[in-house]
Amino acid sequence: AQKVTQAQTEISVVEKEDVTLDCVYETRDTTYYLFWYKQPPSGELVFLIRRNSFDEQNEISGRYSWNFQKSTSSFNFTITASQVVDSAVYFCALHRGQFYFGTGTSLTVIP
Amino acid sequence: ETGVTQTPRHLVMGMTNKKSLKCEQHLGHNAMYWYKQSAKKPLELMFVYNFKEQTENNSVPSRFSPECPNSSHLFLHLHTLQPEDSALYLCASSQEWRSGAGLDSGNTIYFGEGSWLTVV
Repeated sequence: AQKVTQAQTEISVVEKEDVTLDCVYETRDTTYYLFWYKQPPSGELVFLIRRNSFDEQNEISGRYSWNFQKSTSSFNFTITASQVVDSAVYFCALHRGQFYFGTGTSLTVIP
Repeated sequence: ETGVTQTPRHLVMGMTNKKSLKCEQHLGHNAMYWYKQSAKKPLELMFVYNFKEQTENNSVPSRFSPECPNSSHLFLHLHTLQPEDSALYLCASSQEWRSGAGLDSGNTIYFGEGSWLTVV
């Protein structure tokens, strides 16, 4: 069975602080993909990143970075120098045949 | 501009009404999806269409009726809904749908902005 857990329901940070969103997944398969999506108040889920299970290289894109560790089944997402526009709900997802989404982490960045 | 557009963005309907949600994707994808997002719950996959054929129906009540006339359009027909059906309904698309064992392409799924439905 596949499962994605985002233990942090809500996080608040002050602008310019760094914040890490945790994602832990469960799967018995060796081939799978991991995703992060951002959902601003407008509703649309915006694709941020896709990672396949064979590529554990960390990735950085501007202020965003992702840490994939198969040993701990985690795919954490860090925002550096957070901004108010980063306020949104963030979803981690596992793709193996179909998508399995976590329950999301609501991030509020306070000016 | 999003590649997946949904209309209407907001809908209020009575329990005896019949309405439809519409989704259109401009990405050349072959798979389209309906998801339901309720407060404090994970995203729920409702229906999947792959090359216009329905491949998944996750025990969705018959008061929700999907229709996929072509690979670019997807509808969700609503009738005699209940207040607990109030939610954000998200349409999505991907290159194609693959289920079960085997090597996945890890298709990225792209979402529309959603239709906020309130049943009164």
